[in-house]
Amino acid sequence: QVRLVQSGAELKRPGSSVKVSCKASGGTLNDYGVDWVRQAPGQGLEWMGGIIPVFRTTNYAHKFQGRLTITADEVTNTASMDLISLKSEDTAIYYCATVPPPYGQQLVRSLLFDQWGQGTLVTVSS
Amino acid sequence: QSALTQPASVSGSPGQSISISCTGPNIGGHNYVSWFQQHPGEAPRLLIFDVRNRPSGISTRFSGSKSGKTASLTISGLQPEDEADYYCSSYAGTGNWLFGGGTKLTVL
Repeated sequence: QVRLVQSGAELKRPGSSVKVSCKASGGTLNDYGVDWVRQAPGQGLEWMGGIIPVFRTTNYAHKFQGRLTITADEVTNTASMDLISLKSEDTAIYYCATVPPPYGQQLVRSLLFDQWGQGTLVTVSS
Repeated sequence: QSALTQPASVSGSPGQSISISCTGPNIGGHNYVSWFQQHPGEAPRLLIFDVRNRPSGISTRFSGSKSGKTASLTISGLQPEDEADYYCSSYAGTGNWLFGGGTKLTVL
């Protein structure tokens, strides 16, 4: 099974942007789908978007359209999430998670995560 | 506010069975419903996908079902370690997915 290691915690000012990376080992991301889920302090889970790396196909939750970009780098076996125009409400733990084959390459499926990153705390504060 | 509605909390005694419901307008049209368990300070863990399928390694005490616009997670033979937050998710169309608001399970 693939193992996911995310980049470290970030402190950002409102209006700035943040990039969180998710490096895979023990497998190639091209065999999986990769989604991003966040969780604000004391709150529930929120699906943000995902990518099918082998097809470079992305989907974004409607509320993040225009603010979120998800990419995957085949060479470094790393997925990344870029969120711009940060607000205090974006303070959360951000998780990457893999969708295993064959589901990971399906456009319509359940949320079916076999591995999660350790989470990255992004704090947005002035 | 989530478009998938779950009870905020449920409770049960060890050995009992409990069910957690998840209601939403999208649920009736497909079978892409999942359930996750999350203990404090940990990443969520997948319990059920495609309404009723368990991933490898998940106890048979966890089962899923669906009727109309409501999906349900049933935990039988409650154990203290089942105390956690539980989230449903559903495909919402056009390449989007939703989570429910979460249910806190207390094992009395």
